Amino acid sequence: DAKTTQPPSMDCAEGRAANLPCNHSTISGNEYVYWYRQIHSQGPQYIIHGLKNNETNEMASLIITEDRKSSTLILPHATLRDTAVYYCIVRVVRGRRALTFGSGTRLQVQP
Amino acid sequence: NAGVTQTPKFQVLKTGQSMTLQCAQDMNHEYMSWYRQDPGMGLRLIHYSVGAGITDQGEVPNGYNVSRSTTEDFPLRLLSAAPSQTSVYFCASSPDRVAKETQYFGPGTRLLVL
Repeated sequence: DAKTTQPPSMDCAEGRAANLPCNHSTISGNEYVYWYRQIHSQGPQYIIHGLKNNETNEMASLIITEDRKSSTLILPHATLRDTAVYYCIVRVVRGRRALTFGSGTRLQVQP
Repeated sequence: NAGVTQTPKFQVLKTGQSMTLQCAQDMNHEYMSWYRQDPGMGLRLIHYSVGAGITDQGEVPNGYNVSRSTTEDFPLRLLSAAPSQTSVYFCASSPDRVAKETQYFGPGTRLLVL
């Protein structure tokens, strides 16, 4: 699985968009980008995933650059409940190994 | 659906004691797994199962046993608890035994071994 790099922490004002970057410059053609988050003391929560096209669901949008070497998770209107650690994971679908959670980005949404 | 449930929420054990952490899901998912998360660290896979009757080891299996007699349940057994097993344990399930990247996690069990 390709290595990912995320900033250790970010702040965002409540009601504004939160843009969380992830660098995955060694990604290969069959690897997807997955985003999970972990709110304090809870189990991780799946957010979204994509291969090369931008994706949107009820929780967030995922923007992947054309060269696929980086991506951005966008929470369009951040709320206090979005305060969490966000993990960017790159891996092959149907891979044999389990998900690898790195250290992620700690997002603090400020009132 | 209750999703993925775990019991107990908290547990304190003495070194050498054994116990079973329970995990159940009502989504008819074939793939289930157990992770542990130590303070300030990411999750590490302990054991996983791709279906009833099939289990396999993950990254850190030593000191733990699992079995999968039904689709719904995937208990994790600590054979002889050690302080190094103090951690938060998460159970997860996925609807696809092969494409298991989309996983649903339980609320966790916090274990303290004295």
